[in-house]
Amino acid sequence: AQSVTQLDSHVSVSEGTPVLLRCNYSSSYSPSLFWYVQHPNKGLQLLLKYTSAATLVKGINGFEAEFKKSETSFHLTKPSAHMSDAAEYFCVVTKAAGNKLTFGGGTRVLVKP
Amino acid sequence: EAGVTQSPTHLIKTRGQQATLRCSPISGHTSVYWYQQALGLGLQFLLWYDEGEERNRGNFPPRFSGRQFPNYSSELNVNALELEDSALYLCASPGQGYGYTFGSGTRLTVV
Repeated sequence: AQSVTQLDSHVSVSEGTPVLLRCNYSSSYSPSLFWYVQHPNKGLQLLLKYTSAATLVKGINGFEAEFKKSETSFHLTKPSAHMSDAAEYFCVVTKAAGNKLTFGGGTRVLVKP
Repeated sequence: EAGVTQSPTHLIKTRGQQATLRCSPISGHTSVYWYQQALGLGLQFLLWYDEGEERNRGNFPPRFSGRQFPNYSSELNVNALELEDSALYLCASPGQGYGYTFGSGTRLTVV
C-alpha cells in the first residue's frame, strides 16, 4: 500500500521569498515520487520526479526536491517565488513505471506581490 | 511527440443521463489512466487500461466504466449521472522514464 500526505493545504508567500511545500509518503517498497503543478482550470504539469537516482532532484521553473528515505519525505522548494507560481501542487507516489499514481491532497500556493 | 488529448473540454448533462468522455494517449503508448478530480475530494484513481484490457479500477461504482480501442484511445462512460459526479476528469499516459503526461481534462457538470 502507498499513501501521500501533504502537510499544508495552503501556503502563502511573498514574491521573491523562498517556497517550501512539505510532503511525506508511506510505501512498502522503493517508491517513485513526483511533484505536479495545476494552474487554475488547467491539467497537471510534471515539475520533477525521483526514481531512485540522485536524492536531490531538479525540476522545471527553478523547483527542486530532496528525497529523504529516513524521514519518508519529499519536500519541494524554490529559492525565490514568482507570481506565476501561484497554483496547486500535488505530491504523487507510485510503485513503478506504469502503475497507478496516488496523489496527496494538494497544497494551494498564494504569492503576494 | 503529441501529448494526451481529451474531448470534450466541457460537458453539461442532466441527472440520470449518460456521459461519454474520450482520451487519446501519447502516440504509441498503450496505457491510459483515468482520474476524477472532484471539489474537496482531490484526485482519485478511476480506471487503468493497457493493451485493450482493464487492468485495475478504483473505488467507484459500476456505473463508471470504459473501454480501450485497438488504437489505444479510451472512453470513459458514466451512467445514471448524479450531481456528485460533477468533476474534472483527467486522463494520463505513462511516458518513458516514469513521467506521466496528463491531458487538459474534461469538466463534467451534472445539473
